[in-house]
Amino acid sequence: RKEVEQDPGPFNVPEGATVAFNCTYSNSASQSFFWYRQDCRKEPKLLMSVYSSGNEDGRFTAQLNRASQYISLLIRDSKLSDSATYLCAVNKNSGYALNFGKGTSLLVTP
Amino acid sequence: GAVVSQHPSRVICKSGTSVKIECRSLDFQATTMFWYRQFPKKSLMLMATSNEGSKATYEQGVEKDKFLINHASLTLSTLTVTSAHPEDSSFYICSATPGGGGETQYFGPGTRLLVL
Repeated sequence: RKEVEQDPGPFNVPEGATVAFNCTYSNSASQSFFWYRQDCRKEPKLLMSVYSSGNEDGRFTAQLNRASQYISLLIRDSKLSDSATYLCAVNKNSGYALNFGKGTSLLVTP
Repeated sequence: GAVVSQHPSRVICKSGTSVKIECRSLDFQATTMFWYRQFPKKSLMLMATSNEGSKATYEQGVEKDKFLINHASLTLSTLTVTSAHPEDSSFYICSATPGGGGETQYFGPGTRLLVL
């Protein structure tokens, strides 16, 4: 089993739609969880950290389910500019190094 | 936010040459830096953890003699791809974590390497 797995995608949604991504991780000892956004041929940029209680940042909501070892990202009212690849990241072992999922591609269409 | 730079942004070289990539934290000190590699349509794969003043820790399957890492100061880590081959062509990205704790990693813009 891969350490971090994500929805295969791609997701094609119209503007204004709500879209959700899931990500599962295998290391039950992981403590830090993140969603990154990566545009084509660019470096990943931190979208948001994921906290146990769940957290929201504008149109973006992240949830963590430790029992089932998955995290999710919900994007409401999708914008064209949300088109990108979304990477789930989980810390390796006890340090700060990250394991990334393959990413889920999102295309928001007019 | 914190800024991490990489140089060069892209490089094309002949097979057999060595290529050095620099990663700098511009406005913070980074006791730990990470080097990742990303092949087209694949995820970022951690290659090694670079610790200032000590040897790098390499991930399983990454040849330490091929990918030389030096973290000589709190703001600079270098990755040297020695005797590069076409299969080393990839997108190399570094990230840095500020010293003193905190888990946020700040990524450099990446270096695109093409070995002919």
